[in-house]
Amino acid sequence: GDSVTQKEGLVTLTEGLPVMLNCTYQTIYSNAFLFWYVHYLNESPRLLLKSSTDNKRTEHQGFHATLHKSSSSFHLQKSSAQLSDSALYYCALRNSGGSNYKLTFGKGTLLTVTP
Amino acid sequence: EAAVTQSPRSKVAVTGGKVTLSCHQTNNHDYMYWYRQDTGHGLRLIHYSYVADSTEKGDIPDGYKASRPSQENFSLILELASLSQTAVYFCASRNWGTNTGQLYFGEGSKLTVL
Repeated sequence: GDSVTQKEGLVTLTEGLPVMLNCTYQTIYSNAFLFWYVHYLNESPRLLLKSSTDNKRTEHQGFHATLHKSSSSFHLQKSSAQLSDSALYYCALRNSGGSNYKLTFGKGTLLTVTP
Repeated sequence: EAAVTQSPRSKVAVTGGKVTLSCHQTNNHDYMYWYRQDTGHGLRLIHYSYVADSTEKGDIPDGYKASRPSQENFSLILELASLSQTAVYFCASRNWGTNTGQLYFGEGSKLTVL
């Protein structure tokens, strides 16, 4: 079945430094939709970014990610971390095949930004 | 804006007791999902439904039942709650018509089994 790997469970950064959260995935299907969801404390998880186009950068709210099918990666980046970016970030995959009814999530990366 | 509401938001249950978590969506979405959130495991799919009066097993269905009496409502039922079911549970909905499959989540239900 599909799988999503987020290497870092916890990332702590000083405000102003760049953010990079890793996401790699596995699926047998050539077409896949990749997502980044953000979960702020006491709120609902919500969509941050999505992509299905190879090598195309997608941006939202200062974050960006590029889907690279050759390396099965969809890393989340931001040039300068803000205190308000502290949250739990999930990478997720939806394939184009038989299990396209669901999203498969990674284990999440908790980002803590300190002053 | 999509709206998914869950109740209760927090519950303490005793081992062996019955727990029902409810979810209501006003999005007119076809698909509804129950995910469980645990530290170190992320979000894992328990049950889902794509039409009223029908439910399907997800990746971790053992110990859980689901019910979809209408398009708007989707419940998760723990007949015999166990300590290992202490977690935060999220309901989500999705419109079949969209080609990306974005999920809209509820606020979560924190369940503590003692």
